[in-house]
Amino acid sequence: QKEVEQNSGPLSVPEGAIASLNCTYSDRVSQSFFWYRQYSGKSPELIMSIYSNGDKEDGRFTAQLNKASQYVSLLIRDSQPSDSATYLCAVNTGNQFYFGTGTSLTVIP
Amino acid sequence: KAGVTQTPRYLIKTRGQQVTLSCSPISGHRSVSWYQQTPGQGLQFLFEYFSETQRNKGNFPGRFSGRQFSNSRSEMNVSTLELGDSALYLCASSLTGRAINEQFFGPGTRLTVL
Repeated sequence: QKEVEQNSGPLSVPEGAIASLNCTYSDRVSQSFFWYRQYSGKSPELIMSIYSNGDKEDGRFTAQLNKASQYVSLLIRDSQPSDSATYLCAVNTGNQFYFGTGTSLTVIP
Repeated sequence: KAGVTQTPRYLIKTRGQQVTLSCSPISGHRSVSWYQQTPGQGLQFLFEYFSETQRNKGNFPGRFSGRQFSNSRSEMNVSTLELGDSALYLCASSLTGRAINEQFFGPGTRLTVL
């Protein structure tokens, strides 16, 4: 079983809609959780970090964490074509970072 | 604050050669991790260095090695290159690499092995 699992997609949403990206992790001692955005041909860029249960909002982005269900999600409100990218979920168990394989998001104008 | 820098950005080598990639972390960051990214495999963890010591290692053959210097700069070396080593090599830095420390990526080195 992989440490971090994501649906590879592709996920397509119309411009202005809410995009919902999901991630599950296997290690219950995982302590911190991150979302990265990666444009084609570029390196991953950190967009959100979350450490405690609940929601964390930053602009159009909301990260949600449920440690009991070992589940973390990212919501992108008012999706824009510029949000089209691959989104990577990452988990730190206290010892090492683990990455999912990413979900490809396309926002259709 | 300057971000993570990697050199060179692009590299073309032939099978059997060796290559050294360099990474300078964000100032003050002491943990440096290396990843290999290919379209089929995603991000694969190579190794992590902290205070000049390899702290974690992924599942890669011994041809892949690294080191970290006292100023936290890190290098990774791949010997006897194979075609399958063609990939984007990413370096990421973190304050300590432990939980709650965010990890930031450099622009990567794209290695092509012919």
